[in-house]
Amino acid sequence: GAGVSQSPRYKVAKRGQDVALRCDPISGHVSLFWYQQALGQGPEFLTYFQNEAQLDKSGLPSDRFFAERPEGSVSTLKIQRTQQEDSAVYLCASSGHGGAIYEQYFGPGTRLTVT
Amino acid sequence: DQQVKQNSPSLSVQEGRISILNCDYTNSMFDYFLWYKKYPAEGPTFLISISSIKDKNEDGRFTVFLNKSAKHLSLHIVPSQPGDSAVYFCAARADDSWGKFQFGAGTQVVVTP
Repeated sequence: GAGVSQSPRYKVAKRGQDVALRCDPISGHVSLFWYQQALGQGPEFLTYFQNEAQLDKSGLPSDRFFAERPEGSVSTLKIQRTQQEDSAVYLCASSGHGGAIYEQYFGPGTRLTVT
Repeated sequence: DQQVKQNSPSLSVQEGRISILNCDYTNSMFDYFLWYKKYPAEGPTFLISISSIKDKNEDGRFTVFLNKSAKHLSLHIVPSQPGDSAVYFCAARADDSWGKFQFGAGTQVVVTP
């Protein structure tokens, strides 16, 4: 596709609900990243995939957060039993370079509000 | 533990003048640095990068300077244009953590006519 797309763009969840956020990276991009951005802050690294392999998940804040990329293209970030502190914009980025990562292309983000 | 810091939350500059954005870091293992620009309701857009083996990289109106001894980098925009009004983030990666980029909190730049 022309760029990284994310869906939904906005999600409102009641506390305790499970949510799934989708990322469609640029076609052919090997690397995919998830970030969480709180209001007024920079993006915080969550996890990184190279193809279908999740190489780094050190940024996932708890075991309620789970990410997958089963076929090395589309990725889903799942948050179980959402809490109010999960409210943030979730950004996905992809990069064409495996190994050393350079320019990342970001999607528009999914704004999650937990009520 | 915030390892990348942008201590100026905002910057106002007149059109045509130079914008200088600063970024400090604490991790001496960082080997690659990037600057991103972000408009409201959009994802960040890559601007320019620099490897730790260099001290300067230039791309059109944008120049990034890296001072490793001071653990400081800066982005110069010359001349500033109204379309440069956005939030700017610096990001850094350690050589042992592949894809784990750490971002600063951002600097809001406003370019006035």
